[in-house]
Amino acid sequence: DTGVSQDPRHKITKRGQNVTFRCDPISEHNRLYWYRQTLGQGPEFLTYFQNEAQLEKSRLLSDRFSAERPKGSFSTLEIQRTEQGDSAMYLCASSLLAGGIEQYFGPGTRLTVT
Amino acid sequence: AQSVTQLGSHVSVSEGALVLLRCNYSSSVPPYLFWYVQYPNQGLQLLLKYTSAATLVKGINGFEAEFKKSETSFHLTKPSAHMSDAAEYFCAVSDRPDSGGSNYKLTFGKGTLLTVNP
Repeated sequence: DTGVSQDPRHKITKRGQNVTFRCDPISEHNRLYWYRQTLGQGPEFLTYFQNEAQLEKSRLLSDRFSAERPKGSFSTLEIQRTEQGDSAMYLCASSLLAGGIEQYFGPGTRLTVT
Repeated sequence: AQSVTQLGSHVSVSEGALVLLRCNYSSSVPPYLFWYVQYPNQGLQLLLKYTSAATLVKGINGFEAEFKKSETSFHLTKPSAHMSDAAEYFCAVSDRPDSGGSNYKLTFGKGTLLTVNP
């Protein structure tokens, strides 16, 4: 049973550095979502892909953030010039296009910006 | 815009006692509703979902939730708490497809931390 995987699980970086996270969804899942979860809060939607097309971006996704899903399979989320406020858990989820109501979440990548 | 309110950021119960976690939503059209559980340093696991079939929904690990349109609520219950239920619980909503091109993105509440005392 291969669920959603994310890499790395933990990332510590210095302010101003760039970081990239990877998400591998469940195979055959067309929909892919990124969420951000800060301490004591629920996850917040960042962006949504349907296959390789990025169809929605939250206003939370500033210009320093970019996400891709080049072949409609894995996805990457890059943060440029990290700030301390970027420290959070970044969660990836996937679901089926047909009847894809349920989202399956990965374990998350915890980012700490020092 | 949709919103979700979870009353009580922290609920503490004794092992064997009833668990009741509250969730209210704000939406002009009844949305899809979900409860997720999150253990420390892990992702979210779906407990149950409401999509407009039976208003009483049964999920995994003995949890169930009842959709009440008149109260805009979707409270989560479990008759008897186990130590292993200690975790954070999130209520979430998403648009229905007939709400206009839904991508089913989730809007979450702030979460309720459940503590189970021996």
